[in-house]
Amino acid sequence: DVKVTQSSRYLVKRTGEKVFLECVQDMDHENMFWYRQDPGLGLRLIYFSYDVKMKEKGDIPEGYSVSREKKERFSLILESASTNQTSMYLCASSRSYASGRPGANVLTFGAGSRLTVL
Amino acid sequence: QQQVKQSPQSLIVQKGGIPIINCAYENTAFDYFPWYQQFPGKGPALLIAIRPDVSEKKEGRFTISFNKSAKQFSLHIMDSQPGDSATYFCAASKFNRNAGGTSYGKLTFGQGTILTVHP
Repeated sequence: DVKVTQSSRYLVKRTGEKVFLECVQDMDHENMFWYRQDPGLGLRLIYFSYDVKMKEKGDIPEGYSVSREKKERFSLILESASTNQTSMYLCASSRSYASGRPGANVLTFGAGSRLTVL
Repeated sequence: QQQVKQSPQSLIVQKGGIPIINCAYENTAFDYFPWYQQFPGKGPALLIAIRPDVSEKKEGRFTISFNKSAKQFSLHIMDSQPGDSATYFCAASKFNRNAGGTSYGKLTFGQGTILTVHP
């Protein structure tokens, strides 16, 4: 029944390493999102994509990049990990609507990837 | 810049109590206000949502109250149960249209509230 799968639940990396977080959804959703969850700060949007090869910056894109080569897959990349990127990372997906106002903007989240940078 | 402010950060109630979580927003263009529930080890999941044309929405024991003029909305949990212990996030979004012409929503979340319901 899993619809949004994040490949790694727990990762431990060293400062300066390149980190890839992978996310796959099986609902044929157009939109995919990467959020970061930190205590007291809630969920903050890093990047999102509304179509293959399309991406837009969210609220905190610095230090991150993304890749969407296929509709079902959205990757978050940390080019050079730093200790302040230690966090829980959540991937989500949602539908787009052909026209007019969306009937509902429902995000389906993965279980999260907890990254520790030493 | 936090566009959606949520309080309290944590809340403890006894079984049967009515916890209330509050959110305030700044952007008057927001037109959709959901609440998400997150259990430990899981991603958040949609619990209930409201649009600004109504002042209240109920689904089972969960109620959203919405005050458009005050730019505030709140979640009430009636007859709370230990199984309701979770982290709750309010959120808000506005209509967006991408370069391809399709529309989508982008959620801005509050800081989260950790709710504990004691038996």
